[in-house]
Amino acid sequence: GQQLNQSPQSMFIQEGEDVSMNCTSSSIFNTWLWYKQDPGEGPVLLIALYKAGELTSNGRLTAQFGITRKDSFLNISASIPSDVGIYFCAGQSLSSGSARQLTFGSGTQLTVLP
Amino acid sequence: KAGVTQTPRYLIKTRGQQVTLSCSPISGHRSVSWYQQTPGQGLQFLFEYFSETQRNKGNFPGRFSGRQFSNSRSEMNVSTLELGDSALYLCASSRQKTSDTEAFFGQGTRLTVV
Repeated sequence: GQQLNQSPQSMFIQEGEDVSMNCTSSSIFNTWLWYKQDPGEGPVLLIALYKAGELTSNGRLTAQFGITRKDSFLNISASIPSDVGIYFCAGQSLSSGSARQLTFGSGTQLTVLP
Repeated sequence: KAGVTQTPRYLIKTRGQQVTLSCSPISGHRSVSWYQQTPGQGLQFLFEYFSETQRNKGNFPGRFSGRQFSNSRSEMNVSTLELGDSALYLCASSRQKTSDTEAFFGQGTRLTVV
């Protein structure tokens, strides 16, 4: 089945630093989504990407849909303590048609040190 | 606008029992998907419902089933519970627009099987 490789698995950074994480797939996706999940809560949608090459920002977050449709990255600039959490990438493939089926990466655990 | 609501938040069941989880999607959203989240397997797709019909199904045994009602609310049922079914069960809703595949998650139901 489809798999998403998300890296890094965990990151420890100083407050104020920039962060970058990425996902790669063996399959083509027509949509990439990035989520953040806090302990005990459901994932919260951060950014949605629909077109190859698309670059989208949401405040300090920037994400890009890879030109090959097989990868995406998320950047967080000037990290703050509330950025702590697990970040997931998720993709929807063309093969699922109009049905909603997301394939998720394994997550990046982000820790921001004061 | 209310978000996705899942009930109950926490549940403890005994092996062999069955359980029913409920999900109320965002108003106007007609697609409801269910995911299982465990530390070992991450987020795995269970199934998706749209207009009371199952459109897509993940690779889970037949003990996992679901349904959707005319008001788009959805339930999932797990019969003959096993210890390995302990997980966070997440529901996500989406609008039905061709180019819109954003999925919004509820807080989840934490199921513990003892």
